[in-house]
Amino acid sequence: EPEVTQTPSHQVTQMGQEVILRCVPISNHLYFYWYRQILGQKVEFLVSFYNNEISEKSEIFDDQFSVERPDGSNFTLKIRSTKLEDSAMYFCASSGQSSYNSPLHFGNGTRLTVT
Amino acid sequence: AQSVTQLDSHVSVSEGTPVLLRCNYSSSYSPSLFWYVQHPNKGLQLLLKYTSAATLVKGINGFEAEFKKSETSFHLTKPSAHMSDAAEYFCVVRNTGNQFYFGTGTSLTVIP
Repeated sequence: EPEVTQTPSHQVTQMGQEVILRCVPISNHLYFYWYRQILGQKVEFLVSFYNNEISEKSEIFDDQFSVERPDGSNFTLKIRSTKLEDSAMYFCASSGQSSYNSPLHFGNGTRLTVT
Repeated sequence: AQSVTQLDSHVSVSEGTPVLLRCNYSSSYSPSLFWYVQHPNKGLQLLLKYTSAATLVKGINGFEAEFKKSETSFHLTKPSAHMSDAAEYFCVVRNTGNQFYFGTGTSLTVIP
Protein backbone atom coordinates (compact mmCIF):
# COMPACT_ATOMS: atom_id res chain seq x y z
CA GLU A 1 0.00 0.00 0.00
CA PRO A 2 1.42 3.43 -0.88
CA GLU A 3 2.53 5.51 2.05
CA VAL A 4 3.74 8.95 3.01
CA THR A 5 7.44 9.05 3.79
CA GLN A 6 9.23 11.64 5.86
CA THR A 7 12.90 12.37 6.28
CA PRO A 8 14.79 12.65 8.50
CA SER A 9 13.16 10.76 11.32
CA HIS A 10 15.04 12.88 13.84
CA GLN A 11 16.63 16.31 13.39
CA VAL A 12 18.66 18.13 16.00
CA THR A 13 19.48 21.76 15.37
CA GLN A 14 20.68 24.80 17.24
CA MET A 15 18.42 27.72 17.95
CA GLY A 16 18.44 30.22 15.10
CA GLN A 17 19.36 27.68 12.46
CA GLU A 18 17.25 26.85 9.44
CA VAL A 19 15.78 23.40 9.03
CA ILE A 20 14.00 21.72 6.17
CA LEU A 21 11.73 18.80 6.82
CA ARG A 22 11.00 16.63 3.84
CA CYS A 23 8.00 14.60 2.85
CA VAL A 24 7.03 12.50 -0.13
CA PRO A 25 3.23 12.28 -0.22
CA ILE A 26 1.30 9.49 -1.89
CA SER A 27 1.78 9.98 -5.59
CA ASN A 28 -1.79 10.55 -6.79
CA HIS A 29 -2.81 12.74 -3.87
CA LEU A 30 -3.46 16.42 -4.37
CA TYR A 31 -3.89 17.84 -0.87
CA PHE A 32 -0.93 18.12 1.43
CA TYR A 33 -0.66 19.07 5.08
CA TRP A 34 1.78 19.68 7.88
CA TYR A 35 0.84 19.11 11.50
CA ARG A 36 2.92 19.27 14.61
CA GLN A 37 2.66 17.66 18.01
CA ILE A 38 4.59 19.00 20.96
CA LEU A 39 5.51 16.18 23.31
CA GLY A 40 2.48 15.03 25.26
CA GLN A 41 0.15 17.53 23.64
CA LYS A 42 -2.50 17.48 20.95
CA VAL A 43 -1.98 17.40 17.19
CA GLU A 44 -1.92 20.97 15.83
CA PHE A 45 -2.64 21.99 12.24
CA LEU A 46 0.04 24.10 10.58
CA VAL A 47 -0.75 24.43 6.90
CA SER A 48 -2.55 22.87 3.96
CA PHE A 49 -1.40 23.04 0.37
CA TYR A 50 -3.24 22.48 -2.87
CA ASN A 51 -2.57 23.34 -6.49
CA ASN A 52 0.86 24.71 -5.65
CA GLU A 53 -0.31 27.18 -3.10
CA ILE A 54 -1.24 27.40 0.54
CA SER A 55 -4.97 26.87 0.99
CA GLU A 56 -5.10 27.46 4.72
CA LYS A 57 -2.68 28.09 7.56
CA SER A 58 -2.93 28.36 11.30
CA GLU A 59 -1.69 31.06 13.66
CA ILE A 60 1.34 28.89 14.37
CA PHE A 61 2.42 29.13 10.74
CA ASP A 62 4.04 32.55 10.93
CA ASP A 63 6.66 34.16 8.70
CA GLN A 64 9.32 31.78 10.00
CA PHE A 65 7.58 28.90 8.25
CA SER A 66 7.27 28.15 4.57
CA VAL A 67 6.24 25.21 2.44
CA GLU A 68 7.20 24.20 -1.02
CA ARG A 69 6.54 21.48 -3.54
CA PRO A 70 9.63 21.94 -5.67
CA ASP A 71 9.50 19.01 -8.02
CA GLY A 72 6.05 17.46 -8.03
CA SER A 73 6.93 14.75 -5.56
CA ASN A 74 8.55 16.30 -2.50
CA PHE A 75 6.69 18.54 -0.08
CA THR A 76 8.92 20.46 2.31
CA LEU A 77 8.47 22.49 5.45
CA LYS A 78 11.14 25.07 6.17
CA ILE A 79 11.67 26.82 9.45
CA ARG A 80 13.97 29.78 8.84
CA SER A 81 15.22 30.53 12.33
CA THR A 82 14.33 27.84 14.79
CA LYS A 83 13.28 28.57 18.34
CA LEU A 84 13.30 26.28 21.35
CA GLU A 85 9.52 26.09 21.23
CA ASP A 86 9.66 24.65 17.72
CA SER A 87 10.80 21.37 19.24
CA ALA A 88 8.06 18.93 18.34
CA MET A 89 7.08 16.02 16.17
CA TYR A 90 6.17 17.22 12.70
CA PHE A 91 3.80 15.12 10.64
CA CYS A 92 3.24 15.37 6.93
CA ALA A 93 -0.05 14.10 5.53
CA SER A 94 -1.73 13.84 2.18
CA SER A 95 -5.25 13.24 0.99
CA GLY A 96 -6.76 12.16 -2.29
CA GLN A 97 -9.33 13.99 -4.32
CA SER A 98 -11.56 11.09 -5.15
CA SER A 99 -14.18 11.74 -2.55
CA TYR A 100 -15.17 13.85 0.38
CA ASN A 101 -14.48 10.81 2.54
CA SER A 102 -10.87 10.49 1.55
CA PRO A 103 -8.88 10.34 4.79
CA LEU A 104 -5.54 11.82 5.74
CA HIS A 105 -2.58 9.53 5.27
CA PHE A 106 0.25 10.38 7.65
CA GLY A 107 3.96 9.87 7.55
CA ASN A 108 5.80 8.59 10.61
CA GLY A 109 6.93 12.08 11.49
CA THR A 110 10.16 13.99 12.02
CA ARG A 111 11.16 14.65 15.58
CA LEU A 112 12.73 18.12 15.67
CA THR A 113 14.86 19.00 18.66
CA VAL A 114 16.04 22.59 18.97
CA THR A 115 18.86 23.13 21.44
CA ALA B 1 -18.11 25.66 11.50
CA GLN B 2 -16.75 22.24 12.32
CA SER B 3 -15.38 21.06 15.62
CA VAL B 4 -14.72 17.85 17.45
CA THR B 5 -14.96 17.15 21.17
CA GLN B 6 -13.46 14.08 22.74
CA LEU B 7 -15.17 13.84 26.05
CA ASP B 8 -12.50 11.88 27.92
CA SER B 9 -8.83 12.74 27.95
CA HIS B 10 -7.99 9.42 29.62
CA VAL B 11 -9.76 6.06 29.63
CA SER B 12 -8.58 3.04 31.54
CA VAL B 13 -9.98 -0.47 31.00
CA SER B 14 -9.03 -3.96 32.02
CA GLU B 15 -7.82 -6.35 29.36
CA GLY B 16 -10.75 -8.28 27.90
CA THR B 17 -13.36 -5.66 28.82
CA PRO B 18 -15.16 -3.34 26.39
CA VAL B 19 -13.70 -0.06 25.22
CA LEU B 20 -15.74 3.11 24.66
CA LEU B 21 -14.05 6.31 23.47
CA ARG B 22 -16.48 9.16 23.02
CA CYS B 23 -16.53 11.77 20.28
CA ASN B 24 -19.05 14.48 19.52
CA TYR B 25 -18.87 16.68 16.48
CA SER B 26 -20.32 19.93 15.35
CA SER B 27 -21.01 20.39 11.67
CA SER B 28 -23.46 22.36 9.60
CA TYR B 29 -23.83 19.51 7.12
CA SER B 30 -23.33 15.78 6.94
CA PRO B 31 -19.76 15.33 8.09
CA SER B 32 -16.95 13.09 7.08
CA LEU B 33 -15.56 11.49 10.25
CA PHE B 34 -12.49 9.46 11.08
CA TRP B 35 -10.75 7.81 14.00
CA TYR B 36 -6.96 7.63 14.14
CA VAL B 37 -4.70 5.80 16.56
CA GLN B 38 -1.22 6.83 17.62
CA HIS B 39 0.98 4.36 19.43
CA PRO B 40 3.87 5.74 21.47
CA ASN B 41 6.53 7.35 19.32
CA LYS B 42 4.66 6.42 16.16
CA GLY B 43 2.69 8.22 13.47
CA LEU B 44 -1.07 8.37 13.15
CA GLN B 45 -2.81 5.39 11.66
CA LEU B 46 -6.33 5.40 10.25
CA LEU B 47 -8.63 3.11 12.24
CA LEU B 48 -11.87 3.73 10.37
CA LYS B 49 -13.92 6.30 8.50
CA TYR B 50 -17.56 7.20 8.20
CA THR B 51 -18.63 7.17 4.56
CA SER B 52 -22.39 7.77 4.94
CA ALA B 53 -23.07 4.36 3.43
CA ALA B 54 -23.66 2.77 6.82
CA THR B 55 -23.98 4.22 10.28
CA LEU B 56 -22.01 1.39 11.89
CA VAL B 57 -18.48 1.43 10.61
CA LYS B 58 -16.00 -1.39 11.10
CA GLY B 59 -12.32 -0.64 11.26
CA ILE B 60 -9.07 -2.40 11.85
CA ASN B 61 -8.11 -4.33 14.99
CA GLY B 62 -11.73 -5.04 15.92
CA PHE B 63 -12.76 -1.42 16.42
CA GLU B 64 -16.12 -0.04 15.38
CA ALA B 65 -17.79 3.33 15.46
CA GLU B 66 -21.42 4.28 15.16
CA PHE B 67 -22.53 7.51 13.55
CA LYS B 68 -25.57 8.95 15.35
CA LYS B 69 -26.79 12.08 13.68
CA SER B 70 -29.43 12.82 16.31
CA GLU B 71 -26.74 12.81 18.99
CA THR B 72 -23.97 14.26 16.77
CA SER B 73 -21.75 11.48 18.02
CA PHE B 74 -19.24 9.07 16.55
CA HIS B 75 -18.11 6.96 19.49
CA LEU B 76 -15.41 4.34 19.07
CA THR B 77 -15.93 0.90 20.58
CA LYS B 78 -14.27 -2.47 20.86
CA PRO B 79 -15.84 -5.48 22.56
CA SER B 80 -12.68 -6.71 24.22
CA ALA B 81 -9.57 -4.64 24.91
CA HIS B 82 -6.14 -6.02 24.20
CA MET B 83 -2.88 -4.81 25.70
CA SER B 84 -1.77 -3.67 22.25
CA ASP B 85 -4.71 -1.24 22.12
CA ALA B 86 -3.00 1.06 24.60
CA ALA B 87 -2.45 4.25 22.60
CA GLU B 88 -3.74 7.75 21.90
CA TYR B 89 -6.92 7.97 19.85
CA PHE B 90 -8.03 10.95 17.81
CA CYS B 91 -11.46 11.72 16.40
CA VAL B 92 -11.27 13.86 13.25
CA VAL B 93 -13.87 15.66 11.12
CA ARG B 94 -13.28 16.82 7.57
CA ASN B 95 -15.04 19.75 5.96
CA THR B 96 -15.83 20.31 2.29
CA GLY B 97 -12.85 22.65 2.10
CA ASN B 98 -10.55 19.69 2.70
CA GLN B 99 -9.61 20.82 6.17
CA PHE B 100 -9.38 18.29 8.98
CA TYR B 101 -10.23 19.16 12.56
CA PHE B 102 -8.75 17.07 15.34
CA GLY B 103 -10.12 16.31 18.74
CA THR B 104 -7.76 16.70 21.67
CA GLY B 105 -7.25 12.97 21.90
CA THR B 106 -8.06 10.20 24.36
CA SER B 107 -5.32 8.21 25.98
CA LEU B 108 -6.34 4.57 26.42
CA THR B 109 -4.68 2.52 29.13
CA VAL B 110 -5.25 -1.23 29.23
CA ILE B 111 -4.70 -2.89 32.58
CA PRO B 112 -3.56 -6.51 32.54
